[in-house]
Amino acid sequence: EPEVTQTPSHQVTQMGQEVILRCVPISNHLYFYWYRQILGQKVEFLVSFYNNEISEKSEIFDDQFSVERPDGSNFTLKIRSTKLEDSAMYFCASRPGPNTGELFFGEGSRLTVL
Amino acid sequence: DQQVKQNSPSLSVQEGRISILNCDYTNSMFDYFLWYKKYPAEGPTFLISISSIKDKNEDGRFTVFLNKSAKHLSLHIVPSQPGDSAVYFCAASASNNDMRFGAGTRLTVKP
Repeated sequence: EPEVTQTPSHQVTQMGQEVILRCVPISNHLYFYWYRQILGQKVEFLVSFYNNEISEKSEIFDDQFSVERPDGSNFTLKIRSTKLEDSAMYFCASRPGPNTGELFFGEGSRLTVL
Repeated sequence: DQQVKQNSPSLSVQEGRISILNCDYTNSMFDYFLWYKKYPAEGPTFLISISSIKDKNEDGRFTVFLNKSAKHLSLHIVPSQPGDSAVYFCAASASNNDMRFGAGTRLTVKP
């Protein structure tokens, strides 16, 4: 069964460093998402991406964040200068169309900022 | 952003009994509702959904009820099994808008 894959599974970084989290969405999906979950808290929407551009972003997704689809398969989330409060699980998700049911999530990338 | 609320952080149920997880929402534009299940160290996985034109959807042991006037939905699991122990997230979306999640309810099913 096709699945969303994310790398790395865990990354530890120093505050102020740049981090890139990678995702390979399901191949025939057109809509891509990043969510995050700070330990013990809710799953928070960060950004959605369609047709090579951001379609919606939350207030969390400030200038320190960016997303890119550099080729036909990868979808990346970059944090330019990490802060302690960026420590969280970051989930990538995809779905075939805007209203076609559920999101398919990857297993997450745990980011620890020291 | 508190558009989707799950007010019970945890629920404990005996195996074989019914589990009822509740969710409230504030955005009247939401027209599609979902429940996701999440195990530790895994991403959320889709469980069941309901569109706003229905008030009930059933899939095996899982039933979702939607009360649009109260902006409330619930997930019923019957009979509950120990393998159902997980965190359950309620999610909602409006047409062409992105999904918002509740804070989750940790369900523990005791043998």
